[in-house]
Amino acid sequence: DGGITQSPKYLFRKEGQNVTLSCEQNLNHDAMYWYRQDPGQGLRLIYYSQIVNDFQKGDIAEGYSVSREKKESFPLTVTSAQKNPTAFYLCASGPGTGTYEQYFGPGTRLTVT
Amino acid sequence: GESVGLHLPTLSVQEGDNSIINCAYSNSASDYFIWYKQESGKGPQFIIDIRSNMDKRQGQRVTVLLNKTVKHLSLQIAATQPGDSAVYFCAENRGGGFKTIFGAGTRLFVKA
Repeated sequence: DGGITQSPKYLFRKEGQNVTLSCEQNLNHDAMYWYRQDPGQGLRLIYYSQIVNDFQKGDIAEGYSVSREKKESFPLTVTSAQKNPTAFYLCASGPGTGTYEQYFGPGTRLTVT
Repeated sequence: GESVGLHLPTLSVQEGDNSIINCAYSNSASDYFIWYKQESGKGPQFIIDIRSNMDKRQGQRVTVLLNKTVKHLSLQIAATQPGDSAVYFCAENRGGGFKTIFGAGTRLFVKA
């Protein structure tokens, strides 16, 4: 059963703590993406990766970090430096950043208090 | 500036009626457009796409129309069903997945 999984679905953290969101895909896609979604707003790109061991900042990368050690995995760390971390985080993958297709995971809702 | 916007934040339709969701884009260089459906608490799902060399594309119960002259995109859903209730996003692309710009979305309510 191919697809993208994100875990956990809901995550709660105290302010000042780093937290890592998981994203795994078994679609054999080269490209992976992380987006942030706030109420009433469109998706904003945090980071993307075109290939293993390579990743690039998106529009709102400050306060976030990623790694791409395996093709299937693209975890996102929300650091304490991110001023407004509470949001819905979406991971996506696609055949390549030069193509337009993106397939989204179910999302993780992060609440920081 | 470069943006993808929507004319209406919410749309309410009667079950069985047709729905039309509109979207405006500002960059004439965009060459690919996508409509996504997002149900509450879930990730967006691809509905239909259209390239800039086309004016119309049809899928199952959905049609996307592209008017490049006025930079307007619309999604038409025929015989709207309760399961169509969701937020619909249009997105424009200017050369690759990492260059996708998403609109804020229109929430569609289907009344039984």
